[in-house]
Amino acid sequence: DVELVQSGAEVKKPGESLKISCKCSGYKFTSNWIGWVRQKPGKGLEWMGIIYPGDSDTRYSPSFQGQVSMSVDRSISTAYLQWSSLTTSDTATYFCARQGVGRNVAFDIWGQGTLIIVSS
Amino acid sequence: DIQMTQSPSSLSASVGDRVTITCRASQNINSYLNWYQQKSGKAPKFLIYDASTLQSGVPSRFSGSGSGTDFTLTISSLQPEDFATYYCQQTYSTPPHTFGGGTKVEIK
Repeated sequence: DVELVQSGAEVKKPGESLKISCKCSGYKFTSNWIGWVRQKPGKGLEWMGIIYPGDSDTRYSPSFQGQVSMSVDRSISTAYLQWSSLTTSDTATYFCARQGVGRNVAFDIWGQGTLIIVSS
Repeated sequence: DIQMTQSPSSLSASVGDRVTITCRASQNINSYLNWYQQKSGKAPKFLIYDASTLQSGVPSRFSGSGSGTDFTLTISSLQPEDFATYYCQQTYSTPPHTFGGGTKVEIK
């Protein structure tokens, strides 16, 4: 079965760095874009960006460009989302998701989410 | 960026009701429209792509329609497990592939 398993919840202080992970299994990792979606407490879904594991091509939403960094490690089929300096406004749940292919350009499989709390 | 507007933002309905949710794009997106269901505290679940094609395993009481700028998600007979928040998403052309604001379906 296709599965995306994310790293656990984090509690961080403003200014700290963080890298969360999304371990993909059950399919060829390099064949599908992987996306990241933010959900602030009680709010809707925000599309952050996508990365293609085959060549690490990335497309960021203008709202998140320069705020986060996406990367992959093909050797362990894992995608990452990284912050160099967190702020309290980064408090949210972050989901990774696999993007389908062909006409199905949707997020067809989702990770369970990683809750990040940024507080002094 | 393409903006996606859902209406209503919330609705109350009873089991067995027919429910319709609307999603409007700020420009023509052809049929590049997806629908997701999210239950409280869970990851979203993919329901429909290409505006009207059900993902494998999704009950047939769900249907999608529309093209261009106006789209609908219909649940023909609401079941207890359908109480959730529903999101549309456009995947037309280059990113960002924006989501709508969501529609919460609550028990009446």
